[in-house]
Amino acid sequence: NAGVMQNPRHLVRRRGQEARLRCSPMKGHSHVYWYRQLPEEGLKFMVYLQKENIIDESGMPKERFSAEFPKEGPSILRIQQVVRGDSAAYFCASSQNGGQGNTGELFFGEGSRLTVL
Amino acid sequence: SQQGEEDPQALSIQEGENATMNCSYKTSINNLQWYRQNSGRGLVHLILIRSNEREKHSGRLRVTLDTSKKSSSLLITASRAADTASYFCATARGNNRLAFGKGNQVVVIP
Repeated sequence: NAGVMQNPRHLVRRRGQEARLRCSPMKGHSHVYWYRQLPEEGLKFMVYLQKENIIDESGMPKERFSAEFPKEGPSILRIQQVVRGDSAAYFCASSQNGGQGNTGELFFGEGSRLTVL
Repeated sequence: SQQGEEDPQALSIQEGENATMNCSYKTSINNLQWYRQNSGRGLVHLILIRSNEREKHSGRLRVTLDTSKKSSSLLITASRAADTASYFCATARGNNRLAFGKGNQVVVIP
C-alpha cells in the first residue's frame, strides 16, 4: 500500500512563474491536507479538501494560491506568479477520516521543496 | 498564536539517555499528537492522546497530557542515534486541521 506520493520533490521557479505541486493520497483516503513549512519552523495549515470539494481554505493566501482535488487524479496545489517568499517545503497529508470534530492521524508525503529565484 | 507550541529547545543527549520535550497549547482540544521529522523528510506520526487520557505508551515513547495545564510531554527512553530528528506536537480542536508547533530538535550522540 503506497504512502502519500508528492511530486516534484524539488522545484525551482523564477519570480513570476507558476508552480504546480501534486499529491496522491494513500489508497482509501479521501481527505487531503496541504501544509507549508518554512526553514526552522513548524507546519502551517493551508487547505483541507475532499474529493471535488474544498472544505477549509482558511490558511490559503487570498491571492495567487489555489488547490483542487478532482474526482480523478491527484490533488494539485497551484501557486501563480511566484515570489521569493513562496520558497518553502509544501507537505501534503491524507487521512481516512477527516475533520468534523476529531482529526486523527495524518499520513504525510515527503514534501515538495519550492525554490524561487 | 498557533496551537501546539513546544518549548523551543534543542536537545543534545548521549545514546542511552532519556529525552523529554514539552508542548503547551491555549484552547481546549480533542486530541494531541506527536510527530517526528527527519531532516529533509516528511512527518511521521508517533502517538495520539485523546483529551480524556492522561498518559499513553508506545514502545519507548511515553506521552502525558495535562488538560488543566494545557500541556503535554513526550519522553523517549533509552535513546538511539536513529532518534535524531525534530519532534512536533500538534493539536486537533475540531476545526478540520491539526495545528503544529515549531518543533524540538533532538540530537542523539552515539
